[in-house]
Amino acid sequence: DVKVTQSSRYLVKRTGEKVFLECVQDMDHENMFWYRQDPGLGLRLIYFSYDVKMKEKGDIPEGYSVSREKKERFSLILESASTNQTSMYLCASTTEGHHSGANVLTFGAGSRLTVL
Amino acid sequence: AQSVAQPEDQVNVAEGNPLTVKCTYSVSGNPYLFWYVQYPNRGLQFLLKYITGDNLVKGSYGFEAEFNKSQTSFHLKKPSALVSDSALYFCAVRDMRTGGFKTIFGAGTRLFVKA
Repeated sequence: DVKVTQSSRYLVKRTGEKVFLECVQDMDHENMFWYRQDPGLGLRLIYFSYDVKMKEKGDIPEGYSVSREKKERFSLILESASTNQTSMYLCASTTEGHHSGANVLTFGAGSRLTVL
Repeated sequence: AQSVAQPEDQVNVAEGNPLTVKCTYSVSGNPYLFWYVQYPNRGLQFLLKYITGDNLVKGSYGFEAEFNKSQTSFHLKKPSALVSDSALYFCAVRDMRTGGFKTIFGAGTRLFVKA
């Protein structure tokens, strides 16, 4: 069964700490994404990557950075966590295709981060 | 601007009754539309999509959606609801201005199916 695996389901961190959220997919997908999910706001795109070492800002990149050193792994980094970054973080991937608009996102189970 | 609206925060329906979860969209060009479902403490799962062709799209778990271009809507439907359908449902549209890399999600609609 194909998978997107997020290493941490629940994290509790202190304000100012550096936080790493890891995501690994085993589908050989080119494109990977980080979203955050907040009640009433749906999913908002933080960053995405369409190739190794490539990254693009999404709609809310402030306070975040990403790393993609290998095709299967996409990491989200909070350099200095703040309370307003308490949220559910979802990683997703999709393959590149001739008709890329039709491709479906495959999501991980999510990482719920609480910043105290 | 590309956007998706889900006008209902919550939908309540009795088991066995038909259900509808509403979605309207605003895009330039032809829309690529999706429905995803999220069960408690899980990531999102794909339900169905409309790319082109028949306006009625069938998906997983007995769900279907009707694309209506004139009303810019893509409502999710099921003829007979199950308690296990209770979940959070997201409508989404692919933003083709960015080469299809971005998917724009609605705020989500929570469906409660009562036994």
